[in-house]
Amino acid sequence: DAGVIQSPRHEVTEMGQEVTLRCKPISGHNSLFWYRQTMMRGLELLIYFNNNVPIDDSGMPEDRFSAKMPNASFSTLKIQPSEPRDSAVYFCASSFPGDGTDTQYFGPGTRLTVL
Amino acid sequence: QQQVKQSPQSLIVQKGGISIINCAYENTAFDYFPWYQQFPGKGPALLIAIRPDVSEKKEGRFKISFNKSAKQFSLHIMDSQPGDSATYFCAASIMDTGRRALTFGSGTRLQVQP
Repeated sequence: DAGVIQSPRHEVTEMGQEVTLRCKPISGHNSLFWYRQTMMRGLELLIYFNNNVPIDDSGMPEDRFSAKMPNASFSTLKIQPSEPRDSAVYFCASSFPGDGTDTQYFGPGTRLTVL
Repeated sequence: QQQVKQSPQSLIVQKGGISIINCAYENTAFDYFPWYQQFPGKGPALLIAIRPDVSEKKEGRFKISFNKSAKQFSLHIMDSQPGDSATYFCAASIMDTGRRALTFGSGTRLQVQP
């Protein structure tokens, strides 16, 4: 398996622009997580989906952030409008709770820079 | 509380030495404690994990020690190697609405000097 795939790997945009990050989870995994990593705040859970349904979005910082999972193989995290403080590395992770290990597999991340 | 506190923030160890990273948690409902390893430019990857029904788990040079009464757990890296240089995150999870959500510690940047 190719692992969790994220795109783009790097994104540079200007304040006020819309940003869309994409994630393809590992095939067969039914839980998907979006995390944000910064030096100041570490790794923060933004939102997670179970069987394509958003279960907990309490980590989403503002209404400017939204996430969707239209099917089991694709998810997006959108920021509109973007702000400089959104600059971070965004990770997508997937897991299959039924495998008994509770392992979350992380993608390589998208490094977002908002100027 | 869902907080997990990790220390130290950074650690320098000589090759062959033992690296020890500590974590403490508050929520006694946590029932799964993994450690993740992250290399620069990569996503975190599971290194080793433990459940609260055992006090120790070893996998190769890596060991988790778990103290349920003190609500603390630690990662020991035996015979540390330069290739172990990375950032290490402890985490804890709780079965919540049918899934496990990881709460991460703040991370420890380990540097193993040759």
